[in-house]
Amino acid sequence: SQQGEEDPQALSIQEGENATMNCSYKTSINNLQWYRQNSGRGLVHLILIRSNEREKHSGRLRVTLDTSKKSSSLLITASRAADTASYFCATVPMDSSYKLIFGSGTRLLVRP
Amino acid sequence: KAGVTQTPRYLIKTRGQQVTLSCSPISGHRSVSWYQQTPGQGLQFLFEYFSETQRNKGNFPGRFSGRQFSNSRSEMNVSTLELGDSALYLCASSLAQGLAGVGEQYFGPGTRLTVT
Repeated sequence: SQQGEEDPQALSIQEGENATMNCSYKTSINNLQWYRQNSGRGLVHLILIRSNEREKHSGRLRVTLDTSKKSSSLLITASRAADTASYFCATVPMDSSYKLIFGSGTRLLVRP
Repeated sequence: KAGVTQTPRYLIKTRGQQVTLSCSPISGHRSVSWYQQTPGQGLQFLFEYFSETQRNKGNFPGRFSGRQFSNSRSEMNVSTLELGDSALYLCASSLAQGLAGVGEQYFGPGTRLTVT
């Protein structure tokens, strides 16, 4: 079963707007990662944030991590139609650092 | 550098048959993991191989097995297929064993298996 839940399950925005996705998880983690998946294809790694970090930026992406609340958020600024995809958070648990445990995903639609 | 490749990309099998899926990791990557993705259960970890040894396995029945070769290429096998095995099977490679350090995994495009 998945460790994480993501919110919202689906998000539809206009091109140029910002998109925010939230992820909650259950156990202590080593790090948390965000991946993008286009139309049921492979996953593309976006960004990794370690448990001792609170915020990280990469281009138009901003990730925050609150380990006390066991939650993370992904912000995509100035969204583009090409950002349309499913976004998954994935945690590397402290006690099993060999695998990713994925959240349920957020389907993002960016309307041109 | 070439990415992770998986073959075949699509497969249709009938119940009771067996299937073998193949994965070639990024050159130099020694760790290969497999994940199953279904609409109902989402993305779930199947197993992980490092240096030809299965190091870890997820909560899947014994019908799911795999192996890794000396060149790090990996295969997974599903015997006695069931309808519920219909899924996208994703292979991922990483530089080192364990995701606590380097962290990220590089995923292939997946094999879409349909069991009828």
